[in-house]
Amino acid sequence: DIQMTQSPSSVSASVGDRVTITCRASQGISSWLAWYQQKPGKAPKLLIYAASSLQSGVPSRFSGSGSGTDFTLTISSLQPEDFATYYCQQANSLPLTFGGGTKVEIK
Amino acid sequence: EVQLVESGGGLVQPGRSLRLSCTASGFTFGDYAMSWVRQAPGKGLEWVGFIRSKAYGGTTEYAASVKGRFTISRDDSKSIAYLQMNSLKTEDTAVYYCTRVRWSSDFDYWGQGTLVTVSS
Repeated sequence: DIQMTQSPSSVSASVGDRVTITCRASQGISSWLAWYQQKPGKAPKLLIYAASSLQSGVPSRFSGSGSGTDFTLTISSLQPEDFATYYCQQANSLPLTFGGGTKVEIK
Repeated sequence: EVQLVESGGGLVQPGRSLRLSCTASGFTFGDYAMSWVRQAPGKGLEWVGFIRSKAYGGTTEYAASVKGRFTISRDDSKSIAYLQMNSLKTEDTAVYYCTRVRWSSDFDYWGQGTLVTVSS
């Protein structure tokens, strides 16, 4: 199974800050990576697919990059509605696996 | 508008069975693979399994933790996906989400989730 490791597990940031979250795969997954945002009590929402493609309707302040084993999700200017937990997911091979999550908290 | 609505969750004793349903609308259900993802209380996301569309054989895949106990099926005429859960364990306690699977094996639409609690 491919293990997905996210870092940091939590980050404190202020509105307007640039936030970067990292996801590392235990083996190469090409660009088969997705990012999700989850708010408390709600279902996850797809933000980025294929490592860098922005899902329809997602604000352009979200961006993804990387390939192989190392990936990043960047929020260019944090907004109040962005405080949430973010998960990466590898879509390269079965079983599909998620990272442990990164909680973005208000500083 | 794409909608996925789960139902069937609740409290069940260890060793018993439960069937979840996912009713879809707003898209051509038969064209898509459907998946179940769960989240234990306070924990992260765990893929449970998926069922391919009939065009790809309608075959299923499962996580090792549920293989042999859980079965995913679909009724394209009703736009419903099912998750049959047998021999339930306390560690199966979670919110279960139904998701639509994209060509890139990620999940673009999610239901609101249904809570399954396995406890005596």
